[in-house]
Amino acid sequence: EAQVTQNPRYLITVTGKKLTVTCSQNMNHEYMSWYRQDPGLGLRQIYYSMNVEVTDKGDVPEGYKVSRKEKRNFPLILESPSPNQTSLYFCASRSVRGASTGELFFGEGSRLTVL
Amino acid sequence: DQQVKQNSPSLSVQEGRISILNCDYTNSMFDYFLWYKKYPAEGPTFLISISSIKDKNEDGRFTVFLNKSAKHLSLHIVPSQPGDSAVYFCAARPNTGFQKLVFGTGTRLLVSP
Repeated sequence: EAQVTQNPRYLITVTGKKLTVTCSQNMNHEYMSWYRQDPGLGLRQIYYSMNVEVTDKGDVPEGYKVSRKEKRNFPLILESPSPNQTSLYFCASRSVRGASTGELFFGEGSRLTVL
Repeated sequence: DQQVKQNSPSLSVQEGRISILNCDYTNSMFDYFLWYKKYPAEGPTFLISISSIKDKNEDGRFTVFLNKSAKHLSLHIVPSQPGDSAVYFCAARPNTGFQKLVFGTGTRLLVSP
């Protein structure tokens, strides 16, 4: 089954304790991206990657890091989480080949609470 | 600044009636628009899209209309069903490519039996 898998789905942590949210896709997609969803703000892009070792900032990259060492994985790293990073996070992927409908495939989301 | 706006946070409709969800954008460089649907505890899923060279695209019960001069698009669901109850996001693609899709704030649709 084609899917984007995120872990953990739920996490409560404390300020300053480094954490990583993993994202893996099994569709051989070149493009992957992270979004956060906040009330009244919709989905905002954090970082994206066009392919292995190619990453770039989205609209709200502050406080986050990413890496793309393998095509299937795109972890989101919070080196020193702060309460304003409490949010619902989504990983997404898509192919850059063929018809460019722009359809993104999303993971189920990771709800992060930083105390 | 919010480049893609969905001014109605919520919408309630009776089953069988038409649901109309609206979306406005400010950036004239957007050339492709998409609608996503999101159920609770799930990720958004693609619903329908439209290119800026068209003014209408239809897929079953779902139709998207684009008014470029007004920088406005709308999603029509006819007839609405209780299973359509979800949050709907519109998204816009700049003509530089799909790398940076811009999403709206979402509209929660509730279809009551």
